[in-house]
Amino acid sequence: GDSVTQMEGPVTLSEEAFLTINCTYTATGYPSLFWYVQYPGEGLQLLLKATKADDKGSNKGFEATYRKETTSFHLEKGSVQVSDSAVYFCALSILNRDDKIIFGKGTRLHILP
Amino acid sequence: DAGVTQSPTHLIKTRGQHVTLRCSPISGHKSVSWYQQVLGQGPQFIFQYYEKEERGRGNFPDRFSARQFPNYSSELNVNALLLGDSALYLCASSSNDRVRNTEAFFGQGTRLTVV
Repeated sequence: GDSVTQMEGPVTLSEEAFLTINCTYTATGYPSLFWYVQYPGEGLQLLLKATKADDKGSNKGFEATYRKETTSFHLEKGSVQVSDSAVYFCALSILNRDDKIIFGKGTRLHILP
Repeated sequence: DAGVTQSPTHLIKTRGQHVTLRCSPISGHKSVSWYQQVLGQGPQFIFQYYEKEERGRGNFPDRFSARQFPNYSSELNVNALLLGDSALYLCASSSNDRVRNTEAFFGQGTRLTVV
């Protein structure tokens, strides 16, 4: 079935370090891809999305490129801040299916000052 | 404008009891979805409703049921609670039933603890 696999955490970085969180997917259809962020005690917020191959989603300094050939959607940020500490979820959904979003297990990110 | 609102925020129930969780979508949104997030895991899809009709159902037992009202608010019901039902229950709304073309907005969730 359709699934998302992302790197396990926690990931601990110093402020201003470069961030990469790996995400790969398996889908029988043509998915849209998402990164969601969950801050402590809060619900999910959409961070960025891409709906077709080679699209780059970006927001708040974060970027991810939809790579169909490698079935990947890795999240990157050039210089992280303490305020980026949160749990990040890679996810997919497929049009013309039951409109569910399939999430990865999440990666907890800790940024040290 | 208010976002997706869920009530209650926290709840403690005993095994075997039933529970009703409530969700009010963003004004104008007709689609509501429910997800279960067990601690340390990603959210799992339970149901999706659009215009009061069930459009999708995840791999959950019949103890889980839901409905959507004419004002597009929704309730999730869980009967015969088990310890394993302890989780954060998230509600998401979107302006139509195609997540691909519109963003799904999530509420803060209801933290259910079954003891």
